[in-house]
Amino acid sequence: AQTVTQSQPEMSVQEAETVTLSCTYDTSESNYYLFWYKQPPSRQMILVIRQEAYKQQNATENRFSVNFQKAAKSFSLKISDSQLGDTAMYFCAFRPHGQNFVFGPGTRLSVLP
Amino acid sequence: DTEVTQTPKHLVMGMTNKKSLKCEQHMGHRAMYWYKQKAKKPPELMFVYSYEKLSINESVPSRFSPECPNSSLLNLHLHALQPEDSALYLCASSPRRGGVQETQYFGPGTRLLVL
Repeated sequence: AQTVTQSQPEMSVQEAETVTLSCTYDTSESNYYLFWYKQPPSRQMILVIRQEAYKQQNATENRFSVNFQKAAKSFSLKISDSQLGDTAMYFCAFRPHGQNFVFGPGTRLSVLP
Repeated sequence: DTEVTQTPKHLVMGMTNKKSLKCEQHMGHRAMYWYKQKAKKPPELMFVYSYEKLSINESVPSRFSPECPNSSLLNLHLHALQPEDSALYLCASSPRRGGVQETQYFGPGTRLLVL
């Protein structure tokens, strides 16, 4: 079975600091995409960043970047200069070729003023 | 524009009621999805429509009945629900189903309470 693990159920960070959320996955597939989604308390799930497994270069989107280690099956999310609006549930997900999304259990991030 | 809309935002229904949830997207996406999400949990896939045809039903009870009238619209018909069906129901769409590059875009959800 393909699984996604997020080992940190809850995290907190001071405003303007940097925080890293961890994600590991288990798959025998070689071709897949990885995603981080954010779900603020207002509940809409928003795509934060995605990574193609065949690309070695780590994806970045403004203050958000990933550390993708394919051999270790690790896909962590780094948030720089944290803002109060970053407070949310963060879900790591991966999508194997031709299959549906597999979501991790989520990490609840609180940004403290 | 990556907007998926859902109505209603909130719904309270009794166990004998019949109601429907509606989802709409105008991004030209050809795959649409229904998910159920319990509090503090990840979304659980219920149904997948690909090119307006039901392609996946994840063993969902028959009291949930999906419908895809056209490529932009997805409905979820509810009948004789149980209190444990109370949850956030999310709709999502992607340009198509299949192919590893497809990203799903989610709607804001309908918060359902079954009394």
